[in-house]
Amino acid sequence: EAQVEQSGTEVKRAGATVKISCKVSGYTFTDFYMHWVQQAPGKGLEWVGLVDPEDGDTRYSEKFQGRVAITADTSTDTVYMELNSLISEDTAVYYCATGSRHRYGLDSWGQGTLVTVAS
Amino acid sequence: IQLTQSPSFLSTSVGDRVTITCRASQDVASFLAWYQQKPGKAPKLLIYAASTLFSGVPSRFRGSGSGTEFTLTINSLQPEDFATYYCQELHSYSHSFGQGTKLEIK
Repeated sequence: EAQVEQSGTEVKRAGATVKISCKVSGYTFTDFYMHWVQQAPGKGLEWVGLVDPEDGDTRYSEKFQGRVAITADTSTDTVYMELNSLISEDTAVYYCATGSRHRYGLDSWGQGTLVTVAS
Repeated sequence: IQLTQSPSFLSTSVGDRVTITCRASQDVASFLAWYQQKPGKAPKLLIYAASTLFSGVPSRFRGSGSGTEFTLTINSLQPEDFATYYCQELHSYSHSFGQGTKLEIK
């Protein structure tokens, strides 16, 4: 069974950049996509983007395109999400989750990383 | 693609059967998943490919539909089922989620 462990809480100033990580174990890292999902306080889920660890290919939501970069390090089985030009609306819990290449949904989720943007 | 769930809130009782609908603004074939989320926890996958039960999910959960209209049915609600439910399409580039349906105890 896949295990997904995320990095800890971040507090950043508006305009700064945050980079959070997601380390996986229990499966072959390159067998699955890794997705990131945003959840603002009291709000629903919003898909941010994904990376294919096999070749580094990425896809991003239009909302975050241009401000987000998702990368995968196959030497450490770790995925990173970097979000720049932070604004207060970026304050949220960010989840990483594995997803099959058959688009069967996001099946193993991390515990979430809280990012707080202070103005 | 936009996903619209209905209802947004549902007040219901243990033992009831509930149905949640997810409507897509465009055809997503069967690339539709359902998740359950409890406060302070990560979502959990319940159903994928519109109607396939994910491993370990109780059989009282059932998904159906294709194209633009989908339903999640929960038979004989249990106390642990009171949570928020989301649909997600994985057909398009946007992988959009619905806005969520919160089940509350009546």
